[in-house]
Amino acid sequence: DVKVTQSSRYLVKRTGEKVFLECVQDMDHENMFWYRQDPGLGLRLIYFSYDVKMKEKGDIPEGYSVSREKKERFSLILESASTNQTSMYLCASGNREGTEAFFGQGTRLTVV
Amino acid sequence: LAKTTQPISMDSYEGQEVNITCSHNNIATNDYITWYQQFPSQGPRFIIQGYKTKVTNEVASLFIPADRKSSTLSLPRVSLSDTAVYYCLVGDIGGYNKLIFGAGTRLAVHP
Repeated sequence: DVKVTQSSRYLVKRTGEKVFLECVQDMDHENMFWYRQDPGLGLRLIYFSYDVKMKEKGDIPEGYSVSREKKERFSLILESASTNQTSMYLCASGNREGTEAFFGQGTRLTVV
Repeated sequence: LAKTTQPISMDSYEGQEVNITCSHNNIATNDYITWYQQFPSQGPRFIIQGYKTKVTNEVASLFIPADRKSSTLSLPRVSLSDTAVYYCLVGDIGGYNKLIFGAGTRLAVHP
């Protein structure tokens, strides 16, 4: 069974903290994605990686960075968490051909 | 990337066929059309993908006219469990695909 696993289901952090959201896939996919989803705004792409150490900005990269040191792992980093980064974060992986993407269960992050 | 337009919401009743149309006027030659389904508090799930004419799987059918400027996702005999948000995506299957989601269509199935 294909798997995209996000490290936490729920997370509460304080304003100004550095936050790491981890995502691991076991399908040997080249592409990995980080989205955030907010009510009324749908899924918005934060960052996209198409290979190890390669990344591209999505629609809303401000306040975020990413790391992909190994093919199976894609990390989203909030350098200094702010309350407007409270959201549901979704990781996904897909093959290079883009035939199908698989999503993790999501991390609901609350910044207080 | 081709922009997509879908209805914001739709209502249906159990046992009916539901057709959700997506408009993508600027679709490129290499673009494929992909539909995802999302339940509350879960990540989206792939439903179906096609390039032209008709594609059918165990869950849905996808109808794409010759000009490819629109597509229709057809869900036969919906049940309450089909209540979800449905997203239409258009992207190049040959290169790297950024998977940009639009607002989606919120389908509510009533008893």
